[in-house]
Amino acid sequence: NAGVMQNPRHLVRRRGQEARLRCSPMKGHSHVYWYRQLPEEGLKFMVYLQKENIIDESGMPKERFSAEFPKEGPSILRIQQVVRGDSAAYFCASSRTGTAEPQHFGDGTRLSIL
Amino acid sequence: GDSVTQMEGPVTLSEEAFLTINCTYTATGYPSLFWYVQYPGEGLQLLLKATKADDKGSNKGFEATYRKETTSFHLEKGSVQVSDSAVYFCALSYGQNFVFGPGTRLSVLP
Repeated sequence: NAGVMQNPRHLVRRRGQEARLRCSPMKGHSHVYWYRQLPEEGLKFMVYLQKENIIDESGMPKERFSAEFPKEGPSILRIQQVVRGDSAAYFCASSRTGTAEPQHFGDGTRLSIL
Repeated sequence: GDSVTQMEGPVTLSEEAFLTINCTYTATGYPSLFWYVQYPGEGLQLLLKATKADDKGSNKGFEATYRKETTSFHLEKGSVQVSDSAVYFCALSYGQNFVFGPGTRLSVLP
């Protein structure tokens, strides 16, 4: 009974490169959420997606960041032209219905920008 | 809008001490309430939940009661262990909103 799977666990990129973070939700879950966590800080909501739809992207920077959740395959958070300030832990969560249900989290991707 | 406020940490306790982490919320309706725990290097894990007023969520010795009159959901444990050292997040869910508090770091000393 696999939980939320994120990969890679650790990702190192140089400034200007692209970062792709993947998230496979729990079986039967069609709602996916992405969060960013800086060291010693709380979670910052980025984006909420259902299959093939972005429901709420109010927490995601308008430039360089994009997210998708295709009909088949994992959800992808894409960061183009990364900068040092993008270094953080990125967590994905999923839920079954998206309403009043708990979210289940993956172990995160730690992104480091050199 | 909906929001969650938690007591600021860090909270440092000795083993077997009593724990309370305060959480209050603001919501337009009647949300579901949750406590999550994050151990170092890991994602958040659901600790307990309550979906309506006066419900008590409990797990692993932790408890929290949904208090509508005080809009609170304080986390308690009667006797903490070193292994409880982690960051604890209070959260609410209402409609499509899911809001986390800022987290409270707990350190339990042997």
